Amino acid sequence: GENVEQHPSTLSVQEGDSAVIKCTYSDSASNYFPWYKQELGKRPQLIIDIRSNVGEKKDQRIAVTLNKTAKHFSLHITETQPEDSAVYFCAASRADKLIFGTGTRLQVFP
Amino acid sequence: GAGVSQSPRYKVAKRGQDVALRCDPISGHVSLFWYQQALGQGPEFLTYFQNEAQLDKSGLPSDRFFAERPEGSVSTLKIQRTQQEDSAVYLCASSEDRAGNQPQHFGDGTRLSIL
Repeated sequence: GENVEQHPSTLSVQEGDSAVIKCTYSDSASNYFPWYKQELGKRPQLIIDIRSNVGEKKDQRIAVTLNKTAKHFSLHITETQPEDSAVYFCAASRADKLIFGTGTRLQVFP
Repeated sequence: GAGVSQSPRYKVAKRGQDVALRCDPISGHVSLFWYQQALGQGPEFLTYFQNEAQLDKSGLPSDRFFAERPEGSVSTLKIQRTQQEDSAVYLCASSEDRAGNQPQHFGDGTRLSIL
């Protein structure tokens, strides 16, 4: 079955800097890759997603890139703000259920 | 509704008791998913419904776990004879239609503690 690895597990950046989180997946049939942000005690919130027919997608300060050949995808956050501090999860899917990575705790210091 | 609603938000039970967790998906959403999230981990898939049909239950840890969605809307996850290892946050998610790879929207979850 699908296996998703995510790193780093923790990431600390200064406000205004960029943050990059990377994931790899094992199932070449996976074709949908969402990213979720989860604040402490709250629900995972979808922040951006990408499908396998697209290499890059951007939404304001957030972008995701996908390399199908290498089975890598990455989340890029530019101009980070303290409110970006949370745990971020990547996930992969080929039909329905999501297989999640282990999460990255992002801390943005003012 | 405005979003996926889960109840109760917190549940404490003694080992051996049965529990029932409820999920109200976004109105009109065809697909419904249950995930289990242990402390400090990512959500792990439990089971999936399309309308009232349970299409995948491969993630259910044991036969003590049972889920249903009899009318294709509200779903209940039941855990019988609870064990301490069942302690986790149980998340429900729904998506709009039967096509695969649609965005899944999560509820706040039920935090289950087994004493």
